[in-house]
Amino acid sequence: DQQVKQNSPSLSVQEGRISILNCDYTNSMFDYFLWYKKYPAEGPTFLISISSIKDKNEDGRFTVFLNKSAKHLSLHIVPSQPGDSAVYFCAASGNGGATNKLIFGTGTLLAVQP
Amino acid sequence: EPEVTQTPSHQVTQMGQEVILRCVPISNHLYFYWYRQILGQKVEFLVSFYNNEISEKSEIFDDQFSVERPDGSNFTLKIRSTKLEDSAMYFCASRQGSNSNQPQHFGDGTRLSIL
Repeated sequence: DQQVKQNSPSLSVQEGRISILNCDYTNSMFDYFLWYKKYPAEGPTFLISISSIKDKNEDGRFTVFLNKSAKHLSLHIVPSQPGDSAVYFCAASGNGGATNKLIFGTGTLLAVQP
Repeated sequence: EPEVTQTPSHQVTQMGQEVILRCVPISNHLYFYWYRQILGQKVEFLVSFYNNEISEKSEIFDDQFSVERPDGSNFTLKIRSTKLEDSAMYFCASRQGSNSNQPQHFGDGTRLSIL
């Protein structure tokens, strides 16, 4: 099941610079996309989301961009901080209702170098 | 901030034994989920639960698996006869309502090791 793909297993950036994490999907029925951050020995923590009817959502240092025609979304972190070092998961869900199960990508390990 | 709690953090069990993983979702949440992550693989959906019944389950969630909300606060995942391939991190999640903009909140997981 490759409905959500994160092709970069890891990314290293300098503190203060921009981090860009990418995600591709294949199912055009997805209507909501989410980013989760995960530290070792902890569960995924919700970061930011975007509806399929929007192309951008911003929350502080985090911005998610959605390109529906390309079935691509990205998470921008500006400026990157050492505490941002974690695994970032892209996830997608279908229409609302009782289920709304999440389909996850494989994750990207972000390392922010001081 | 309210959080989802899971116990135990690590469970070691002999193959063929029954195991129960426990979760306390956030108190005003109505939708509950179990996911698992086998080492080196992606997080996979197992089952969703709403209004005291399963609303969807994946192919992984076969007859060996069951879920229960026995007392209005706990949400449990039972594996009746564990197999080596059940070794994984198991995450519980809960969600307040059915609106798509309400995210699922995850616990820190139970690491299940089958010997």
